[in-house]
Amino acid sequence: SQKIEQNSEALNIQEGKTATLTCNYTNYSPAYLQWYRQDPGRGPVFLLLIRENEKEKRKERLKVTFDTTLKQSLFHITASQPADSATYLCALDPASGGSYIPTFGRGTSLIVHP
Amino acid sequence: EAGVAQSPRYKIIEKRQSVAFWCNPISGHATLYWYQQILGQGPKLLIQFQNNGVVDDSQLPKDRFSAERLKGVDSTLKIQPAKLEDSAVYLCASSLDSPDEQYFGPGTRLTVT
Repeated sequence: SQKIEQNSEALNIQEGKTATLTCNYTNYSPAYLQWYRQDPGRGPVFLLLIRENEKEKRKERLKVTFDTTLKQSLFHITASQPADSATYLCALDPASGGSYIPTFGRGTSLIVHP
Repeated sequence: EAGVAQSPRYKIIEKRQSVAFWCNPISGHATLYWYQQILGQGPKLLIQFQNNGVVDDSQLPKDRFSAERLKGVDSTLKIQPAKLEDSAVYLCASSLDSPDEQYFGPGTRLTVT
């Protein structure tokens, strides 16, 4: 069956360190993968989109990698800050009959300690 | 630019009652999504519209849920009759096209008692 796996346990790190979050998937062939941030009581906010033919994408302190062989994406936040504390969701956009149907993982909670 | 608007923000109903949610996407966005997010889980796509046509509704419980997007702009999601397991946050999102970055509304928190 198709599955998207993100660590269910919260990731606790110290301010200034690099946070690395993992998104693994099985039985999907996504053309696109996206990362979102979600704060309590709010809707998700888009961070980055990476295509299957891209290995890496960066935006300010954020970096995403996409390995279609390992079926894995890594999301890095460098020089993390307490304000980065939130839940981070990965979403796949596998093509289906010519359309792209987004599918989200359950998210990983990141807690950055001052 | 104005974001995605949703109403109401909160709703409490008894089981077997009906409820409707409204979404106004960002102007010019062709694609509109409705998601259900249960506490501790990621958003689950219920239905995706491209303009006023349905792209995917494979996870929409069609015996009780319905959605429409008239004139390719605003959308409503209805539940009739509601069950206890429908308690969740219902999120609306829109994007210029698909796939593309999605802009989410604040959601409607539904509690079914």
